[in-house]
Amino acid sequence: DIQMTQSPSSLSASVGDRVTITCQASQDISNYLNWYQQKPGKAPKLLIYDASNLETGVPSRFSGSGSGTDFTFTISSLQPEDIATYYCQQYDNLPQLTFGGGTKVEIK
Amino acid sequence: QLQLQESGPGLVKPSETLSLTCTVSGGSISSSSYYWGWIRQPPGKGLEWIGSIYYSGSTYYNPSLKSRVTISVDTSKNQFSLKLSSVTAADTAVYYCARHLTGVIAVAFWGQGTLVTVSS
Repeated sequence: DIQMTQSPSSLSASVGDRVTITCQASQDISNYLNWYQQKPGKAPKLLIYDASNLETGVPSRFSGSGSGTDFTFTISSLQPEDIATYYCQQYDNLPQLTFGGGTKVEIK
Repeated sequence: QLQLQESGPGLVKPSETLSLTCTVSGGSISSSSYYWGWIRQPPGKGLEWIGSIYYSGSTYYNPSLKSRVTISVDTSKNQFSLKLSSVTAADTAVYYCARHLTGVIAVAFWGQGTLVTVSS
């Protein structure tokens, strides 16, 4: 089974800061990596698919990069409404899905 | 506008079977472009994929839960269902039904989620 290691588990940043979250796969997953935002009491929301593609309607301050085993999710300028927990998720063609452990983003 | 709505008991006794149904509205469950799945989240913890089903009935399960999970589809009712047997307190979670594509397996549509508590 493929394991996804997401870090950090939490972070605190100021409004306007650049925020970076990483996700590492236990084996090569090509670009089969998605990113979600989850606010308290809500279902997750898809932000980025296939490592770097912005889902329709998602603000351009969100971005993703990487391939193989190492991936990065970035918020270029943190906004108050970005307070949430972010998850990476890998998939294969079987299909099988695996989520990372999550990163809780707070305002400093 | 696609909507997914989970329904079922909010309280299940240990060792019994958890049963949930997801009703799909605003779209057909028989579309060849999508899988329909279940994802859960224990209180205060992360997300865990349980399994997915294609409209034809082909199923795909998380290996860690496979022995206890059955997902089925009823195209006539535009619904799909989850059964999880021999539940314990560790199965207490918010259960989400969801839709993902067959190619890029990203979950773009989610139900609102339903909390299922396992307790006697």
